[in-house]
Amino acid sequence: TQLLEQSPQFLSIQEGENLTVYCNSSSVFSSLQWYRQEPGEGPVLLVTVVTGGEVKKLKRLTFQFGDARKDSSLHITAAQTGDTGLYLCAGGPSGTYKYIFGTGTRLKVLA
Amino acid sequence: EPEVTQTPSHQVTQMGQEVILRCVPISNHLYFYWYRQILGQKVEFLVSFYNNEISEKSEIFDDQFSVERPDGSNFTLKIRSTKLEDSAMYFCASSDLTGGHLYEQYFGPGTRLTVT
Repeated sequence: TQLLEQSPQFLSIQEGENLTVYCNSSSVFSSLQWYRQEPGEGPVLLVTVVTGGEVKKLKRLTFQFGDARKDSSLHITAAQTGDTGLYLCAGGPSGTYKYIFGTGTRLKVLA
Repeated sequence: EPEVTQTPSHQVTQMGQEVILRCVPISNHLYFYWYRQILGQKVEFLVSFYNNEISEKSEIFDDQFSVERPDGSNFTLKIRSTKLEDSAMYFCASSDLTGGHLYEQYFGPGTRLTVT
């Protein structure tokens, strides 16, 4: 069974702090996506990474795909209260057209 | 900005009844997906669909489930005989094949299915 484990599950930090969320698997993925999901809504795509070692930046968010394409990280610089939410990683295992979602990291940024 | 839409937003049905959940994917997208999310749990893949065929399905997607693209715009998920454990949020997603965007899935707002 292919799994994507996210850590930490919960994170509560003060505004202005930096944080990193991890997404790990023993499987190789063709691509990996990061989403943000608000309660009662569908996941909203933040970024897609497809090349091992790839780094993408979206304002204060930096996403990295591991060299072996088995893991990824999301780093937020100077967190703001608006960053509060559920962050999900999702991957498409090589050779398949299905996507596996991670367990999620619930982030709370305190003012 | 184009978006995926889903109807209804909430469906309540009795156990054993058939339900059809509807989705209108983004118009130029060619790959379509259904996912479900049981309350408090992670998003689970159900099925992917391309060129009027199922590309891949999960163990959850058994004979009680079927998908169809009845016309050029709608993509439906049918559950033939609902069970209590089918209660969940069902999300439709679509992606574009061109320009390397296959992996970028755009999700609809979801249909909350409650089976009583």
